Formats: sequence, C-alpha cells, structure tokens
Amino acid sequence: SAVISQKPSRDICQRGTSLTIQCQVDSQVTMMFWYRQQPGQSLTLIATANQGSEATYESGFVIDKFPISRPNLTFSTLTVSNMSPEDSSIYLCSVDGVSGANVLTFGAGSRLTVL
Amino acid sequence: AQSVTQLDSQVPVFEEAPVELRCNYSSSVSVYLFWYVQYPNQGLQLLLKYLSGSTLVKGINGFEAEFNKSQTSFHLRKPSVHISDTAEYFCAVRGGATNKLIFGTGTLLAVQP
Repeated sequence: SAVISQKPSRDICQRGTSLTIQCQVDSQVTMMFWYRQQPGQSLTLIATANQGSEATYESGFVIDKFPISRPNLTFSTLTVSNMSPEDSSIYLCSVDGVSGANVLTFGAGSRLTVL
Repeated sequence: AQSVTQLDSQVPVFEEAPVELRCNYSSSVSVYLFWYVQYPNQGLQLLLKYLSGSTLVKGINGFEAEFNKSQTSFHLRKPSVHISDTAEYFCAVRGGATNKLIFGTGTLLAVQP
C-alpha cells in the first residue's frame, strides 16, 4: 500500500500564528482528504482536495482559516491560520484508492498544540 | 446523509475474553463500511472493510465483523483479546452522492490483565 508522510509530526505553536502541514504520497492519487481529530474526539472531515481545482470544504470549515493547496497528484498542504488553543488537534491527511477501491488510507497525523 | 453510531464509548474486558464493539449506521443508499484502529499516539489503521459480497469479513489481528443490512449494523468481534488490542476503534461509513467517509465517535477497548 501507499506510504503517506506528514510533516510536522507534532508542533507547539503560539496563538495567532499559522502553521502549514505537508502531506506527501508515494503514488499519484486523485482525491486527498484532510481530517481533524480534536482531543478525545472522533475524526471530522475538513475538506476534499483534488488536483487542479479548489478544495471543497465541509460545513463549519472555511478557506480563510484552513487554506489548502494541491499542486500535483502526490502532494497537498493544509494551513491552520491565526491559531487559537481551540485549534489544538491532530490533523490527518488521507488518500483514496491506494489500498483498494473505496478505501481511505491515512497518514500518521500532525499533532498541533496551540498555547 | 449517512451517520454512524457507536453506542459504547469504552469497553473494558479481561485478556483472553471475547469482545464485541457495536456499530450501527444510518443510510438511505448502499454503503461501504469500515473499522479503523488507532493505537495510542499513532495514526489510523484499517482493520477491515465491507464493500460487497460475504457479510462476514475478516480483518487483521484476528478481528472480524458482520454486516447486517436489516439491522443496519456492523459489529466488530474478536474471540480472544490481547493486551496489545488496547486502542480506540472507529467505525466508519461511506456511500451516497458525496461518497465521504464519516466516522463514529469511537470505542476505547481497554484490555486488562
């Protein structure tokens, strides 16, 4: 199955700053997804990122707060802008189809703590 | 829209005992069903999936699940658990027009010696 690398694996950030999370896949994929897992919670879909088009955001998530880039079929970034302590979460990228049709494979996640 | 319900937030069980983690879903269309496992401080790993065919699916680490369409359930089972099975287990559903993967709230399986 595909290898999905996320950077950083963890970070501690100051309130008001922004952080960009990178997701690299070792094979070309059409659909990539970004999820958020708040402490002790389940996973919530932030947005779907397809190459060559604007990301599609879920209800409650906006582009100004979570801008996403998808420059090619193997890479995507998620920026968490103007962070507050409420943004402290694990952010995970996932890709579709590399472990079988209709199956999402997840990266190890990026654990952000905002002080 | 699809939704997933995991009624048990935590399931304590003794080592070598059997366990069942419950999952019910809601959907008006055919769906794909999944169980993912998240070990402490790790990412999400696919445990097993139901896409079509046999309603009993087997996954890694001795886990299995049965798709029951009439009861809209996809319960996860293991006949004998090990300490190393201690983790958070997430049931998820995918299907419909949006084809998004929607997660349940998770069940913490706590295996005690």
